[in-house]
Amino acid sequence: DAGVIQSPRHEVTEMGQEVTLRCKPISGHNSLFWYRQTMMRGLELLIYFNNNVPIDDSGMPEDRFSAKMPNASFSTLKIQPSEPRDSAVYFCASSTRPNQPQHFGDGTRLSIL
Amino acid sequence: GNSVTQMEGPVTLSEEAFLTINCTYTATGYPSLFWYVQYPGEGLQLLLKATKADDKGSNKGFEATYRKETTSFHLEKGSVQVSDSAVYFCALMNSGYSTLTFGKGTMLLVSP
Repeated sequence: DAGVIQSPRHEVTEMGQEVTLRCKPISGHNSLFWYRQTMMRGLELLIYFNNNVPIDDSGMPEDRFSAKMPNASFSTLKIQPSEPRDSAVYFCASSTRPNQPQHFGDGTRLSIL
Repeated sequence: GNSVTQMEGPVTLSEEAFLTINCTYTATGYPSLFWYVQYPGEGLQLLLKATKADDKGSNKGFEATYRKETTSFHLEKGSVQVSDSAVYFCALMNSGYSTLTFGKGTMLLVSP
């Protein structure tokens, strides 16, 4: 069975550029989560969706970050404009329901120069 | 608020040694507790879970017991292998909520 699929696996770009990260959850999973992982702060939940609707975006750092889930099989996390402090590994996870175990993708390693 | 505290790593062991990674938590109510493992270059994988006090989660030789009286969920394995080298995360989810609170992670390095 296919797991959570994230793209790209690696992204290197210059500050000020727009960055779009993509996620395809496991088929049949109704909840989707975006996390950021850094050495300093560990794993932080940015936002999560249930049935394509954003439920909690309190972890989104600032207005430069936005996330969408136009349908049950696709979500994006966009950073515009990007800054060096956004460099991190971004993970997407999905679960059948919000309080069920989450399955993680392999992450996108983002480097902003 | 919720919080999870793990022992700092790295934990360095020889193959076949006994492993303990400590995890304590602060939460209201009766959370579910989890251990996730992250291998290099990969995402987190659920290793085991426990949903109520005195439950024991187990998987792949790893065990952890939900201790409400000490608010702990320590991870143990009787005999580690080189392939167990990874970062281990303790996490909690409060009942009625949907979000996980993670600890900072503990790196385990097992040498032959």
